[in-house]
Amino acid sequence: DGGITQSPKYLFRKEGQNVTLSCEQNLNHDAMYWYRQDPGQGLRLIYYSQIVNDFQKGDIAEGYSVSREKKESFPLTVTSAQKNPTAFYLCASWRQGNYGYTFGSGTRLTVV
Amino acid sequence: AQSVSQHNHHVILSEAASLELGCNYSYGGTVNLFWYVQYPGQHLQLLLKYFSGDPLVKGIKGFEAEFIKSKFSFNLRKPSVQWSDTAEYFCAVRGGAAAGNKLTFGGGTRVLVKP
Repeated sequence: DGGITQSPKYLFRKEGQNVTLSCEQNLNHDAMYWYRQDPGQGLRLIYYSQIVNDFQKGDIAEGYSVSREKKESFPLTVTSAQKNPTAFYLCASWRQGNYGYTFGSGTRLTVV
Repeated sequence: AQSVSQHNHHVILSEAASLELGCNYSYGGTVNLFWYVQYPGQHLQLLLKYFSGDPLVKGIKGFEAEFIKSKFSFNLRKPSVQWSDTAEYFCAVRGGAAAGNKLTFGGGTRVLVKP
């Protein structure tokens, strides 16, 4: 079955370390997105990419970086510059046309 | 820039009561509108979506939403809630290609249905 795979499901990071969250899709979707979910704040857009080798900042891009070298993959790096990285991170993809979005199952990142 | 506002942060009601959750958006162009639900400990699930046509949209689990273009609103309704409707509900708007086909979420409304 097609879908989005996010890994790992749980991730612990020491302060000052960079960490990369994986997002892979086999849906042949063009656009991919990274969201951060915090209690009471809904989902906020971090970065998005409409095509390979191109991406744009979302509303809260500071302290994060992404790459889109392949259509299937859109990894998110949480850098040490991100002041409050503990959160739930969701990856999503979207296909051209009147279709909805597909979401991954998320990665919960905790800074220890 | 597109934005979404959900006015109620928390709603508490009893079983069999009617539910209406407000959602207003701002975006200058054609929009697609969505309602998602997140049950406790679970992941986002699409309740319903509006792309075009009939502004009254029916979704899963007895939910419906009405798109009122003049009011920039897309309110979610359910005539009679059940305890199992306890969840957090998110309204979202997608702008067009010029806006990166971004999906922008509201802050969410936590709904507690008392048995």
